[in-house]
Amino acid sequence: DTAVSQTPKYLVTQMGNDKSIKCEQNLGHDTMYWYKQDSKKFLKIMFSYNNKELIINETVPNRFSPKSPDKAHLNLHINSLELGDSAVYFCASRRQGAEAFFGQGTRLTVV
Amino acid sequence: GNSVTQMEGPVTLSEEAFLTINCTYTATGYPSLFWYVQYPGEGLQLLLKATKADDKGSNKGFEATYRKETTSFHLEKGSVQVSDSAVYFCALTEGRDKIIFGKGTRLHILP
Repeated sequence: DTAVSQTPKYLVTQMGNDKSIKCEQNLGHDTMYWYKQDSKKFLKIMFSYNNKELIINETVPNRFSPKSPDKAHLNLHINSLELGDSAVYFCASRRQGAEAFFGQGTRLTVV
Repeated sequence: GNSVTQMEGPVTLSEEAFLTINCTYTATGYPSLFWYVQYPGEGLQLLLKATKADDKGSNKGFEATYRKETTSFHLEKGSVQVSDSAVYFCALTEGRDKIIFGKGTRLHILP
């Protein structure tokens, strides 16, 4: 019974393809996030949803589109993948005012 | 916006040495402060937290004290083990919804 689970764990794909990463949390949290971690381990927030509503949208290319069908799920769809999109993507969730819980990450490699 | 600065790594120590990883922050209001740890190939895990000035967070022998006067939240451990080798992130909340992370400090412990 993993708290925050994301799939797939590894994703290797060619440039120009479209791919999705799924995230689910069973903690009952209202807020969910997507973070991108580059090769130097720097973590950058991409999006945040609160109860299915988009509340944070950092400077992220339009090719990235989050979707939250319900407050337990936040998926990330990426169109026209580029080499620079290669990174580890982390999903997280939290209750307001508390710490965030992270998934295990999805290592995306674009070739 | 809020920001976090933590010492650049990597930090290399021998087993049983004393550890300090510095973290300072700039913030409006009264953020919560966190230390997260990331073991190789895994997601981030909360190590400890403090929610108000002078609070001390502690876990697994690690400690950090929320110092408002010096805007710091330095991580310390009296005697490190090889199993403590990981990347450590200092983080703080911004507003109701964001958590901002430092750039991470890689720690290597030699047997």
